[in-house]
Amino acid sequence: GDSVTQMEGPVTLSEEAFLTINCTYTATGYPSLFWYVQYPGEGLQLLLKATKADDKGSNKGFEATYRKETTSFHLEKGSVQVSDSAVYFCALKSSTGGFKTIFGAGTRLFVKA
Amino acid sequence: EAGVTQFPSHSVIEKGQTVTLRCDPISGHDNLYWYRRVMGKEIKFLLHFVKESKQDESGMPNNRFLAERTGGTYSTLKVQPAELEDSGVYFCASSDSPRTGELFFGEGSRLTVL
Repeated sequence: GDSVTQMEGPVTLSEEAFLTINCTYTATGYPSLFWYVQYPGEGLQLLLKATKADDKGSNKGFEATYRKETTSFHLEKGSVQVSDSAVYFCALKSSTGGFKTIFGAGTRLFVKA
Repeated sequence: EAGVTQFPSHSVIEKGQTVTLRCDPISGHDNLYWYRRVMGKEIKFLLHFVKESKQDESGMPNNRFLAERTGGTYSTLKVQPAELEDSGVYFCASSDSPRTGELFFGEGSRLTVL
């Protein structure tokens, strides 16, 4: 079945450091890919998405490119801030039927001042 | 516009007891989903309602779990009797269109079974 694998955390960075959180997926067909973020005390919210190969999703300085050849959707940010501390979830929605979104295990990010 | 709300935020019960979690989706969202996250692992799909009908309940772990959505508005998820392995965070999400992909989540209900 469809699945998402993302790097284990926690990831601890200093402010203004470069961030990469790796995500790879297994899916039939052509899924849509997502990154969700959960800030402390809040529910998950959509950060960015890409619906087809080579699309780049971006929001709040974060970017991720849909790479079909490597089945990856890595999340990047050039300069993190303390306010980016959160749990980040990679997810996919299959195109081959069914409407459920499949999530990875989440990666907790701590950014130090 | 109010977001997805869940109640209670945290419930602590003993093994064998019953717990009912409630979710109020965003008004007008026909699609409602339940998910569960156990011990920091992946968020696992439980089921999907379209209005009051169960579209997909393939993720429900066993018959101790019962989900309902009366009148296509709020939903409840009952666990009876609760077991230790049911502990985790139960998330509810809603969507106005399953095809566009974006889910709107509540803050989750943390269930601790002792």
